Amino acid sequence: SQQGEEDPQALSIQEGENATMNCSYKTSINNLQWYRQNSGRGLVHLILIRSNEREKHSGRLRVTLDTSKKSSSLLITASRAADTASYFCATDAEGNNRLAFGKGNQVVVIP
Amino acid sequence: GEEVAQTPKHLVRGEGQKAKLYCAPIKGHSYVFWYQQVLKNEFKFLISFQNENVFDETGMPKERFSAKCLPNSPCSLEIQATKLEDSAVYFCASSQSVTGYGYTFGSGTRLTVV
Repeated sequence: SQQGEEDPQALSIQEGENATMNCSYKTSINNLQWYRQNSGRGLVHLILIRSNEREKHSGRLRVTLDTSKKSSSLLITASRAADTASYFCATDAEGNNRLAFGKGNQVVVIP
Repeated sequence: GEEVAQTPKHLVRGEGQKAKLYCAPIKGHSYVFWYQQVLKNEFKFLISFQNENVFDETGMPKERFSAKCLPNSPCSLEIQATKLEDSAVYFCASSQSVTGYGYTFGSGTRLTVV
């Protein structure tokens, strides 16, 4: 089954810096979604980008999607300590009936 | 309500015992999904429901795992004769549709098999 793969796996940055993480996938998708997981909690939906979109913004989040390269990136601008979490991409693939999640990308924002 | 409620938060079972987990999806969401997360890493899809009907069960270990979503009751995931490798956090999520929408996740049930 298709699965997103985030890269890099762990990122440690200073508060105020930007954080970028990438995700690649293998098949055709309807949309790609990013989620955040704080320690010991469930996933929180951040943003959904459809296959015909190239870029989307939500507050301090910017997501890009390149369907020709089958990749997406999530940029968090002006990071805050509260952004410390694991970030997962998930693909809604054509013909599949559920989201397939990648391995996750741990981000630590140092105050 | 606006959140997916999962109970219990923690469950400890001896190997071979039964474990039953519950999930109350958001009202108005037709789809319920169960995922298993081992060691804070990948989310393994188990099963999904469209209302009370099984929609996709391709991820379910058939021998010991079963799940239900009955009308006017929380959905449930049951593991018969638990094994050590069943230790994981089990997440339930609900959504308006199987595609095109984000999922709303519960906080999970941490199952520890000893």
